Amino acid sequence: AQTVTQSQPEMSVQEAETVTLSCTYDTSESDYYLFWYKQPPSRQMILVIRQEAYKQQNATENRFSVNFQKAAKSFSLKISDSQLGDAAMYFCAYERIQGAQKLVFGQGTRLTINP
Amino acid sequence: GAVVSQHPSRVICKSGTSVKIECRSLDFQATTMFWYRQFPKQSLMLMATSNEGSKATYEQGVEKDKFLINHASLTLSTLTVTSAHPEDSSFYICSARDPGRAYEQYFGPGTRLTVT
Repeated sequence: AQTVTQSQPEMSVQEAETVTLSCTYDTSESDYYLFWYKQPPSRQMILVIRQEAYKQQNATENRFSVNFQKAAKSFSLKISDSQLGDAAMYFCAYERIQGAQKLVFGQGTRLTINP
Repeated sequence: GAVVSQHPSRVICKSGTSVKIECRSLDFQATTMFWYRQFPKQSLMLMATSNEGSKATYEQGVEKDKFLINHASLTLSTLTVTSAHPEDSSFYICSARDPGRAYEQYFGPGTRLTVT
């Protein structure tokens, strides 16, 4: 079974600084998707960024970028120029492409932004 | 963007009663919907996958007779918690997959269930 591990329960960063959230996963599949979701205090899940495993190029969405290391099964999220609105729980998630397509979430990292 | 709604947002019920939570895709037809449960300060745990017109597929350890899922139309899935107990109190989240936007799930705002 696939597993996703986020080893940082909590992280904090100064406003305008850069922070990196870690995620590792375990799978025997060669093709899959990886995601970072944000869950603010409202509890609404928001997709931050998505990476297709067959793409070597790291995904980028404005201030959010990932470092995808397929061989190491690592998928970290970098947030640049951190803003107060970035404060939230961040979940890393995995989804296989073949067979039952369902998201497997990591434990989450609570990110605090210090003004 | 695609919108998924849930109703109610909060519900309080007495132990032993049943409660129904609705999940609707507002601007797309969702062939597949998912139900999650989230305990305080924890991650989302998938309960079941719901496909329109067929029986739901439950994850291991989830009681299908207790958590009844119906996906009667392409825009509506319901989760009924039967004979609720205080330990069923939790945050329930649904999501829906838009076939037109491959491999992306859209999440509802969640329903907080409190069983007294």
